[in-house]
Amino acid sequence: GAVVSQHPSRVICKSGTSVKIECRSLDFQATTMFWYRQFPKQSLMLMATSNEGSKATYEQGVEKDKFLINHASLTLSTLTVTSAHPEDSSFYICSAVQGADGYTFGSGTRLTVV
Amino acid sequence: QKEVEQDPGPLSVPEGAIVSLNCTYSNSAFQYFMWYRQYSRKGPELLMYTYSSGNKEDGRFTAQVDKSSKYISLFIRDSQPSDSATYLCATGPNYGQNFVFGPGTRLSVLP
Repeated sequence: GAVVSQHPSRVICKSGTSVKIECRSLDFQATTMFWYRQFPKQSLMLMATSNEGSKATYEQGVEKDKFLINHASLTLSTLTVTSAHPEDSSFYICSAVQGADGYTFGSGTRLTVV
Repeated sequence: QKEVEQDPGPLSVPEGAIVSLNCTYSNSAFQYFMWYRQYSRKGPELLMYTYSSGNKEDGRFTAQVDKSSKYISLFIRDSQPSDSATYLCATGPNYGQNFVFGPGTRLSVLP
């Protein structure tokens, strides 16, 4: 089946630094990818929709200047958390759309900002 | 009203039990219904996917959709400790290709 690779799986960074998370579709082309955030014991919250070759669409309340999304190719989308703060610590998950079959998810990135 | 509601649990059952997991949704236009399983510290993985109303069976898992009552169910037969995870329902699409997730139900199957 389709595979979405997300890297890194875990990252610890200092407050004020930036972190880049990569999401790759390994055996299919994904014109649309989604970035989610998940707090402990809570559901996935959509942050933004990443479209290849165009600007990402951000959900209400998500700072686009803080969470930079780049979908430069049909197989790669990146999320950069800029000037990270402890409140940005969370589990970030990407997914890619496979037509009407729903999503294929990456394995997630646990970000800890210290 | 939330778009998708799901009892967060936790739900504990003995090994071998039949498990029933449920969600309700508010938008009658939703056509696609999915169940995902998420192990601790991992991303969700697709378990079942159905389109419109009806049942779908895959091994020990059965998904049911009742669009008239906007009710989604997942049944797990002969539950195993390895089924212990959080189960998320999802439905949509609403706008673009976005799907909406329930908060997930934590299931523990005790040996």
